[in-house]
Amino acid sequence: DAKTTQPTSMDCAEGRAANLPCNHSTISGNEYVYWYRQIHSQGPQYIIHGLKNNETNEMASLIITEDRKSSTLILPHATLRDTAVYYCIVRVASGGTSYGKLTFGQGTILTVHP
Amino acid sequence: NAGVTQTPKFQVLKTGQSMTLQCAQDMNHNSMYWYRQDPGMGLRLIYYSASEGTTDKGEVPNGYNVSRLNKREFSLRLESAAPSQTSVYFCASSESRADTQYFGPGTRLTVL
Repeated sequence: DAKTTQPTSMDCAEGRAANLPCNHSTISGNEYVYWYRQIHSQGPQYIIHGLKNNETNEMASLIITEDRKSSTLILPHATLRDTAVYYCIVRVASGGTSYGKLTFGQGTILTVHP
Repeated sequence: NAGVTQTPKFQVLKTGQSMTLQCAQDMNHNSMYWYRQDPGMGLRLIYYSASEGTTDKGEVPNGYNVSRLNKREFSLRLESAAPSQTSVYFCASSESRADTQYFGPGTRLTVL
């Protein structure tokens, strides 16, 4: 499985865009990039995922570089409730023993300030 | 839709006691999972059930057993609890192994 590297922590002002980077330089062609977040020991919450194209949903946007070696999660207008640990996960889409496996690393602690 | 529900929310056990953590989902998902999360760490997969009638070991299965009771329910049993099993336990489900996993609120377990 490809490993991911994320900054340990980031700050963001309320109302501003939060841009969370993730490096996954060893990603394979059949691996998706997933983002989850965990708010204060609650269950992880799915945010978004993508393969090679940029993706957007009601929560966030995901920008994946053309070489797929890195990605950025964008929360367009951060609120205090977005303070959480954000996990970038590379996940095999099909085939092999790692099929479907989610491997959580340390994540990025995002703190949104008033 | 309640999504994924877990009971109990909190539990305190003494070393050697047994207990079962319950998980149910109402999304008609085929696959279900049990994870544990220790302080300051990411989640680790204990067991999963790719479909009704099947179960497989994950990363840290020792000391646990699971039962896929039906399509909706997946339970995790600790036969003889140990302090090292003090953790927060999360259940998750997905349409299939390839699909997005959705998590429950967790069970906070303390073993004294």
